[in-house]
Amino acid sequence: SYELTQPPSVSVSPGQTARITCSGDALPKQYAYWYQQKPGQAPVLVIYKDSERPSGIPERFSGSSSGTTVTLTISGVQAEDEADYYCQSADSSGTSNVVFGGGTKLTVL
Amino acid sequence: QVTLRESGPALVKPTQTLTLTCTFSGFSLSTSGMCVSWIRQPPGKALEWLARIDWDDDKYYSTSLKTRLTISKDTSKNQVVLTMTNMDPVDTATYYCARIPYGDYWYFDLWGRGTLVTVSS
Repeated sequence: SYELTQPPSVSVSPGQTARITCSGDALPKQYAYWYQQKPGQAPVLVIYKDSERPSGIPERFSGSSSGTTVTLTISGVQAEDEADYYCQSADSSGTSNVVFGGGTKLTVL
Repeated sequence: QVTLRESGPALVKPTQTLTLTCTFSGFSLSTSGMCVSWIRQPPGKALEWLARIDWDDDKYYSTSLKTRLTISKDTSKNQVVLTMTNMDPVDTATYYCARIPYGDYWYFDLWGRGTLVTVSS
């Protein structure tokens, strides 16, 4: 079955740049999406179609894609950015097989 | 303002059928391109997509769970219902409904708060 691979954890100090990667064989052909989830809360969409930012999401959140890897970048990390981040995409057939990555815990030191 | 809210039993017994309802407002599931999905998350684990229903009643299911899932909609009530048969303790999770704003792209722009379902005898 298709999988998206994320690092379990990333740690950065406030003001630094955090980069969270997500790897999958179908990513060159399928868009990736990113969600932020804080403890006890529902996920929030922070990036769609690889690099688009929904309204209301701070500009410090950005997304990029290169080959089989997509990256969520958070510039000037703030304490409030500490959360779990999930990437999401679909397999190469495009439908009926939506996949989430295993999630990355971002810790702000 | 768009909102989604999940409702259903907090506790089900093994082998029982789970029925969850997503009641939404601020958009219509009769609008072309609009879709609603169900996603679940076991405690401490990752998200898992379950099913999707479209404005034109097309339906999609997780390949690993499709034999157990049924999704339906009542457009007049702004509700989407998910049933999952033969529940097992491994199905214990928070179940979310979420909106897909454009059916051509499989992403979830707004989510409900989720409802925790525990499977135990």
